[in-house]
Amino acid sequence: ENVLTQSPGTLSLSPGERATLSCRTSQSITYNALAWYQQKPGQPPRVLIYGTSRRATGVPDRFSGSGSGTDFTLTISRLEPEDFAVYYCQQYHTTTRYTFGQGTKLEI
Amino acid sequence: EVQLVESGGGLFQPGRSLRLSCAASGFTVSSNYMGWVRQAPGKGLVWVSVIYVDRMTSYVDSVKGRFTISRDNSKNTVYLQIDDLRVEDTALYYCARGRPNFGDYDLWGQGTLVTVSS
Repeated sequence: ENVLTQSPGTLSLSPGERATLSCRTSQSITYNALAWYQQKPGQPPRVLIYGTSRRATGVPDRFSGSGSGTDFTLTISRLEPEDFAVYYCQQYHTTTRYTFGQGTKLEI
Repeated sequence: EVQLVESGGGLFQPGRSLRLSCAASGFTVSSNYMGWVRQAPGKGLVWVSVIYVDRMTSYVDSVKGRFTISRDNSKNTVYLQIDDLRVEDTALYYCARGRPNFGDYDLWGQGTLVTVSS
C-alpha cells in the first residue's frame, strides 16, 4: 500500500495569510497521479488540483500544487474565509491503486 | 445536468447484504472509470473500489471478498454490492467519476449513508 502522510494535521491561520499543506507518499508516483481535494462539512469532496499542479475547472488561482516523486505541496496564496475546510491528497499507483491521505484541517 | 446520485443506504444488521446504486446523468459511465469512496462518521476518505472501462475491477484490501462493484450500461448505473456487513462498514458511501489519464475523481455524488448495527 502506498501510504500518504499529510502534515500538519491541523493548520490555524487567518484570512489573507498563506497556507502550505504537505503530502508525502511512501512510494514514488508519477506527476499525473497526485490530486488534492477540499471538503466542507456536509459536502462531498471537490477536486482542486490534479496531475500534481493542474487546477480543476472553476478553482481560483490562489490554489496551486507542486512536487514530485514522494513530496507534494498544496499552497493557498491568500486565504479567503471560504477556504477553511479539510484538505485531502490522493494518489494513484498502478499496483496500489488509490489512496487518500488522512487530511489536514485548515481552521481560523 | 452532469451528476451522480447514490441510493440504497439505510440501517442494516451485521451479516446482511445490500446493494448501493449510483445513477449517472449527463455522461456515460461505460466511458469512464468509476469508483466508490467511503467516509466513516467524523473520519477521513477511504477509497473502496473502482471499475474501469474494460470492466476490470479493483478493491482496497480490507473489503476484498465482500464487496463487488459492477455496472449496468443500459441504466447508466454503477453498483456496489456489500456482503456480510460489519459494524466497521458504517460510513457515507460516495460514488465518483474518474478523470481519464489522471488518477483523480472529478465528479462526486452526495453520498448514501450505510449504518450497520444490531
